[in-house]
Amino acid sequence: DTAVSQTPKYLVTQMGNDKSIKCEQNLGHDTMYWYKQDSKKFLKIMFSYNNKELIINETVPNRFSPKSPDKAHLNLHINSLELGDSAVYFCASSQGAGYYEQYFGPGTRLTVT
Amino acid sequence: AQSVSQHNHHVILSEAASLELGCNYSYGGTVNLFWYVQYPGQHLQLLLKYFSGDPLVKGIKGFEAEFIKSKFSFNLRKPSVQWSDTAEYFCAVNTGNQFYFGTGTSLTVIP
Repeated sequence: DTAVSQTPKYLVTQMGNDKSIKCEQNLGHDTMYWYKQDSKKFLKIMFSYNNKELIINETVPNRFSPKSPDKAHLNLHINSLELGDSAVYFCASSQGAGYYEQYFGPGTRLTVT
Repeated sequence: AQSVSQHNHHVILSEAASLELGCNYSYGGTVNLFWYVQYPGQHLQLLLKYFSGDPLVKGIKGFEAEFIKSKFSFNLRKPSVQWSDTAEYFCAVNTGNQFYFGTGTSLTVIP
């Protein structure tokens, strides 16, 4: 049983396209996150949702829009993709916000050409 | 702004050598501290965490870390590394709702 799953695992697309990455967790957690890991392995939080409500929204371009249809899902939609969006995107979940351990998904490697 | 610094970007060790990876953070309030590991081609996994109590915490696979509040540090240690410890190691700090990761340390263990 995969605790946090993401689809797709790889995504290759051209500049200007719109794409979505899906994330699902079966841990019953209340909080979910999106992280971006760049080519230097730097991991930066993008968004955090707690019970379907946005609680962290770091400075990311508004081309990125998270959507949480329910507590178990947090999708990331990206409009007008740019070369600099190429990265690995990780979804994570935790029991709650704050000091709870985060469980990470396997990542989605996005390549924009 | 809060930050997490990992001073060692790339560490190369021989098997059985001892390991210490540095982690410093800049935040004056209460923090929760984590070390995560990312094995090649895999997702991040928790090694250990500190919330309160004994500042020396033990994690999986023989890793431990010591929280020194006066130095704002949470260094990771392992007395004897194995080839299978080759991975990226990330320190992370939680300050309530905010989570900050360090830039990571790449560890290569030579058999």
